[in-house]
This record gives sequence, structure tokens and C-alpha cells, in this order.
Amino acid sequence: EAGVAQSPRYKIIEKRQSVAFWCNPISGHATLYWYQQILGQGPKLLIQFQNNGVVDDSQLPKDRFSAERLKGVDSTLKIQPAKLEDSAVYLCASRNPGRSKLFFGSGTQLSVL
Amino acid sequence: GESVGLHLPTLSVQEGDNSIINCAYSNSASDYFIWYKQESGKGPQFIIDIRSNMDKRQGQRVTVLLNKTVKHLSLQIAATQPGDSAVYFCAELMNTGFQKLVFGTGTRLLVSP
Repeated sequence: EAGVAQSPRYKIIEKRQSVAFWCNPISGHATLYWYQQILGQGPKLLIQFQNNGVVDDSQLPKDRFSAERLKGVDSTLKIQPAKLEDSAVYLCASRNPGRSKLFFGSGTQLSVL
Repeated sequence: GESVGLHLPTLSVQEGDNSIINCAYSNSASDYFIWYKQESGKGPQFIIDIRSNMDKRQGQRVTVLLNKTVKHLSLQIAATQPGDSAVYFCAELMNTGFQKLVFGTGTRLLVSP
């Protein structure tokens, strides 16, 4: 079974630049999550989709972060403009709504200089 | 507020010993409590979950115990191996109309040969 795919694997940008991350969830998984993981901390939920609709974006800094899942499959997360404190690993996960198990991708490690 | 935390940031054990990783949670509105393992450079990997109406569940070499009275969760790893070295996170799958997964801060397990 193919896992959750994310790209790029690493990204280095300067502050105030823009960046986008891509996620392809496991086929058939209607629920998709984006998490931010700062070094030494647990993942923090940014946004959760059910098919192509947002069900929770309460922790998403909406002044600079945006995400979409237009066809209910792939998703992109964008940061514009980036700040130093955005340096983190951005993890995408997907889940079959009938199950408790989330499957995570390997993440995109973002460094903002 | 919602909070899932851990007592010990680092646990060092000898190969072959049993390991116990503890977690305290504060939010009782959860369907499942889940343990994830995260190796360096990888996304979290599901280990085992326990439904909120249970107090014990066993897997292969792992056991999860849930004490709802004191809001405490533990992961026991039998005959710990060097490959078990990783950061372990407890998490709650909360049913807030949609199922939201909230992570704690993690415990690093170091297994010495």
C-alpha cells in the first residue's frame, strides 16, 4: 500500500519569501491533516479537511498560512510571507474516517533564514 | 483547554529490559488514546491505540494502559530492542463533531546494547 507522499523533502528560504508544500494522501482517505512540528515538540494541528472541505482551521495563522484541497485528494499548504518562527517540519497525514489510525508522510523540513 | 503531556522527556534503558513511557492528559472528551513512534527524519508511526471505554490493550511486545480516574496513559514495551529507540508521543483522538488528533510533547527512548 502506498503511503502519504509529501514534497519537497527539504526547503530553505529567506524570511518574507513564500513557500508551498504538497501532499498526496493514501487513496480513499477522506480526512487529511496538516501538522507543524517544531524541533523538540509534538506535532501541532494546523488544519483538517474532510474531502475538500475544511473542518478545523482554528490553529492556522490565517494572515500568512493557507491550505486547499480542491478535488478532495491532493492538498497544498502555503506560507506567505514566511517568518523565522515558521522553521519546522510540516507533516501531512490522512485517515479513513471510520478508523482511528492516522498515516503520516515523512514531512517537509522548512528552514527560514 | 486541551493538553496531552508526558512526565519524562528522556528514558534510557538496556536492551532486553522492559520500558514504560507515561503520559498525562487533561481532556476527557476523547474516543481513542493513541501511541505514536517517531524516528529521526520520519513522520510519526502508529503503534497502538485504546478506546476510551477500555483500560488495557495488548499488541506485539507493547501494552497500553488507560486510567481514566487519574487521566493517565502508559505504554509498556517488553524486551526493548535498539530498534525501539525513538521519540514516543501519546495523542488523543477527540470527537468534537469531527475527529481531531492532539499530540503531547514526546519522550525520547534510548536503548543501549
